[in-house]
Amino acid sequence: SYVLTQPSSVSVAPGKAARITCGGNNIGSKSVHWYQQKPGQAPVLVIYNDSDRPSGIPERFSGSNSGNTATLTISRVEAGDEADYYCQLYDSTSDLLWVFGGGTKLTVL
Amino acid sequence: QVQLVQSGAEVKKPGASVKVSCKASGYTFTNFGISWLRQAPGQGLQWMGWISTYNGRTSYPQRLQGRVTMTTDTSSSTAYMEVRSLRPDDTAIYYCARDSGIAVAGFDFWGLGTLVTVSS
Repeated sequence: SYVLTQPSSVSVAPGKAARITCGGNNIGSKSVHWYQQKPGQAPVLVIYNDSDRPSGIPERFSGSNSGNTATLTISRVEAGDEADYYCQLYDSTSDLLWVFGGGTKLTVL
Repeated sequence: QVQLVQSGAEVKKPGASVKVSCKASGYTFTNFGISWLRQAPGQGLQWMGWISTYNGRTSYPQRLQGRVTMTTDTSSSTAYMEVRSLRPDDTAIYYCARDSGIAVAGFDFWGLGTLVTVSS
């Protein structure tokens, strides 16, 4: 089945930009979604269809997708952005129709 | 406002079954499917399957075929997932999520999760 690879952790200072990558074979041809999950809470959709933001998600969250890498960028990082982030896509050729990356722990220094 | 309200925590013995519910409100239930996911302690998200609330069609990954059954009750806007032959490694938080069923849309609303503990 399709495999999505994320770094296990990313650290960033407050006010700087954080970039979380999600690697997959020709992932640029697929639609990628991103979720934020804070401890003890359910995941929240922060980016869908590569770069669209659901209502209520700050403009600081943006996404891109090309080639073999999709990227979630959080600009002007705040302490409240510290969370686990997961990428996801739909793969109709896979047994697992919905595939998730292993998750990235974002630490705000 | 859209809400998915899940049933409470369960403790089960190995070999038993568990049935988790997910009651939807704030939207037309049959316009969106429901996906079920789980998250083992300290682990990532794992998709467990999908059900069409419109016609009851389901899709499960091969590894769960025969052990998981998803159903809906449209009269009460509730989705259910039953897992049989529970093992200790089925201990996890189980989530339901609204799934439009199209690749370009993610899971826009989630339940808060149901903790299922499997222990002798």
